[in-house]
Amino acid sequence: EAGVTQSPTHLIKTRGQQATLRCSPISGHTSVYWYQQALGLGLQFLLWYDEGEERNRGNFPPRFSGRQFPNYSSELNVNALELEDSALYLCASSTRDRGEETQYFGPGTRLLVL
Amino acid sequence: RKEVEQDPGPFNVPEGATVAFNCTYSNSASQSFFWYRQDCRKEPKLLMSVYSSGNEDGRFTAQLNRASQYISLLIRDSKLSDSATYLCVVSSGGSYIPTFGRGTSLIVHP
Repeated sequence: EAGVTQSPTHLIKTRGQQATLRCSPISGHTSVYWYQQALGLGLQFLLWYDEGEERNRGNFPPRFSGRQFPNYSSELNVNALELEDSALYLCASSTRDRGEETQYFGPGTRLLVL
Repeated sequence: RKEVEQDPGPFNVPEGATVAFNCTYSNSASQSFFWYRQDCRKEPKLLMSVYSSGNEDGRFTAQLNRASQYISLLIRDSKLSDSATYLCVVSSGGSYIPTFGRGTSLIVHP
């Protein structure tokens, strides 16, 4: 069974540009989560999509946005890039089993803002 | 107080040693608990779920203490390949938003 996939693996942008990151969940998973992991820091929750709807968002400015498509894949858009947006962006998909939700991560997209 | 706290380490142990990590959480309504492993520059991977009754998977044992609001991970007979960062993850059932600790670094040396 294929795992969570993300593209691109690496992305280099300059300040002020826009970045688009993509994620395909494990087949059968309807929830997609996005996280930011800056160097030396823990995972910070960005966005949660389920069944095509945004269910929750973390403490990030509105220039971080996204969407989920009918096939449950997802896009994360970051507008007006700032230097501090440089980080590993991780996508996770999840399934609920007996009320417990387990997340499985993709390999991430490394974004570098120059 | 941070929602999920872990000792960042690093824990530096010889092969064959037993090492234990603790993680404390602040939300008493938390319902789901996990340990993830993250290798350098890689994504986190699920190591094991943590249940009140405790659970064991080979050399790894996880325990949950709801009264004191902490979970633990015990690794017996450490291998070089166990070197990684171990992330504690806690979520409350209603929001389904897990909170990750910053991780505990383990270095197993020959």
